[in-house]
Amino acid sequence: DSGVTQTPKHLITATGQRVTLRCSPRSGDLSVYWYQQSLDQGLQFLIHYYNGEERAKGNILERFSAQQFPDLHSELNLSSLELGDSALYFCASSAGTGSNEQFFGPGTRLTVL
Amino acid sequence: AQSVSQHNHHVILSEAASLELGCNYSYGGTVNLFWYVQYPGQHLQLLLKYFSGDPLVKGIKGFEAEFIKSKFSFNLRKPSVQWSDTAEYFCAPRRGYNKLIFGAGTRLAVHP
Repeated sequence: DSGVTQTPKHLITATGQRVTLRCSPRSGDLSVYWYQQSLDQGLQFLIHYYNGEERAKGNILERFSAQQFPDLHSELNLSSLELGDSALYFCASSAGTGSNEQFFGPGTRLTVL
Repeated sequence: AQSVSQHNHHVILSEAASLELGCNYSYGGTVNLFWYVQYPGQHLQLLLKYFSGDPLVKGIKGFEAEFIKSKFSFNLRKPSVQWSDTAEYFCAPRRGYNKLIFGAGTRLAVHP
């Protein structure tokens, strides 16, 4: 158990819908990262938040957005869902923004039908 | 563009065989290097990491990796694999402060 929690574990929805994935970082960690793992794209970095502020963006679609709240939990919002958005979404946390290792949560498996 | 290449996508070994998984990255400068493992149905776990110092790093479960700066490589090794090592292995260099760049992964199947 890494100490990072993600909810829900599984999510099944239809195209065009909007969903919210939630992540709680390890106690004391200020950074939260979101990654997408799919069969065709592999494991890709989406976005990084540090203490409530966005720090870096990766291959994140405009239909996706994220935020980190004052209690440091983070939410990833996916809208206008398409079949290709079906993937495993991981959240990771680390203590800071420097050379700290990232600890991964169990992931949310999203299936878009 | 930053990229990382894992040479083997699928590896099948018998128990007690030796393992070496290749990883090459495309950029210079200061790089932090990680190997993560994902057991079936589980989340990513850190196997080992290299930040600086001794280029031969030891991780959990008997794994080790060698950083060769001149070859931009960070290959993962284990002298004798076990059935429980069946998993997917990801090399992940990190340049800068945050994002990990993951390789495509290597699926390892170990047969008893």
